[in-house]
Amino acid sequence: LAKTTQPISMDSYEGQEVNITCSHNNIATNDYITWYQQFPSQGPRFIIQGYKTKVTNEVASLFIPADRKSSTLSLPRVSLSDTAVYYCLVGGSSGSQGNLIFGKGTKLSVKP
Amino acid sequence: DVKVTQSSRYLVKRTGEKVFLECVQDMDHENMFWYRQDPGLGLRLIYFSYDVKMKEKGDIPEGYSVSREKKERFSLILESASTNQTSMYLCASSSVETPLHFGNGTRLTVT
Repeated sequence: LAKTTQPISMDSYEGQEVNITCSHNNIATNDYITWYQQFPSQGPRFIIQGYKTKVTNEVASLFIPADRKSSTLSLPRVSLSDTAVYYCLVGGSSGSQGNLIFGKGTKLSVKP
Repeated sequence: DVKVTQSSRYLVKRTGEKVFLECVQDMDHENMFWYRQDPGLGLRLIYFSYDVKMKEKGDIPEGYSVSREKKERFSLILESASTNQTSMYLCASSSVETPLHFGNGTRLTVT
């Protein structure tokens, strides 16, 4: 299973764009990259998933370079409510994600 | 919207007790999982199941067992609770077409 490395913590201010980068040097050909968000006292929540290039949804964008050894989660114009822990996972798509390694995540603090 | 419901939000048990943590999902997902989450250690997979009556060990199965008699229900069992099993326990489900959906967790304290 591919191991991921991401910063332990990041600080930002309201209205800024936040980019969280994740390294996954030994990603396999069939692996997808998935990001989850977790608020205190809640379970993680799916944000976005991608395989290559760029994926965008209503809350975030995911940038994946051609070599796929890293990826960047981009949160546009963060607000205080985006303060959370963000996890990068690498492995099978959707249903085969259960044995993915969550790691410690990146704790994002958004300040007013 | 997928709902994963864990039977208790908070639980306090004594050392040596047999503890049952229940999880129910309402979206007919094939896959169900139990994790524990501890400060500084992230989420660690205990057990998972890809079908009724099937189970697979995760990274830290010692001291735990599971039961999946019905597709929608996945139970985590602590045969003899110990203080080092004090933790937040998270249940999740998924299908071939959907990512993991988590419940809100059960905070278990073993005294």
